[in-house]
Amino acid sequence: NAGVMQNPRHLVRRRGQEARLRCSPMKGHSHVYWYRQLPEEGLKFMVYLQKENIIDESGMPKERFSAEFPKEGPSILRIQQVVRGDSAAYFCASSPRVGLLDSGNTIYFGEGSWLTVV
Amino acid sequence: DAKTTQPPSMDCAEGRAANLPCNHSTISGNEYVYWYRQIHSQGPQYIIHGLKNNETNEMASLIITEDRKSSTLILPHATLRDTAVYYCIVRVVYTGNQFYFGTGTSLTVIP
Repeated sequence: NAGVMQNPRHLVRRRGQEARLRCSPMKGHSHVYWYRQLPEEGLKFMVYLQKENIIDESGMPKERFSAEFPKEGPSILRIQQVVRGDSAAYFCASSPRVGLLDSGNTIYFGEGSWLTVV
Repeated sequence: DAKTTQPPSMDCAEGRAANLPCNHSTISGNEYVYWYRQIHSQGPQYIIHGLKNNETNEMASLIITEDRKSSTLILPHATLRDTAVYYCIVRVVYTGNQFYFGTGTSLTVIP
């Protein structure tokens, strides 16, 4: 089974450009989560999506950031007009749907996309 | 979700057991304890989780106290490749609930 696939692994953008990060969840998983990790800091939750729905975007910056998970294709995290402070590792995770009686689901992470803004 | 407290760093000699503690004194009855680790420059890796019984898998053992206010992750024979940041997370399991990562414990395995 392929794991969570993220691409590109490394992306360099100039200030003001757009960055698009892609995430293909594990086979059979319908939930996707995006996390950001700034240099020397912990993982911060950004957004949680199901197919065609944003479930929780409470960790997403209000401006310039957006995420989608279309019916077909990977989830996309989009950062418009990037600034130096957006330089970070962006991790995607996926999980299957959870039923109320499930004995504790877990989420599985990809290897991350490293964005550098110059 | 309940808050967890972990020591910021620990050392362990190679080949010895690494015992990583986690305090979650405000845990509620329906919250699971999860452990993940993150090796430098890699994505977080799931290790183990449990509700109240002790759990063991090929990677580690999870010991949860009877009152569930604390737990210990045990790596039975630490290797250099176990050097990583270890995160303890407590979480109610339902669709729509996220994992919130704290600062974790940085474990260094010493040759």
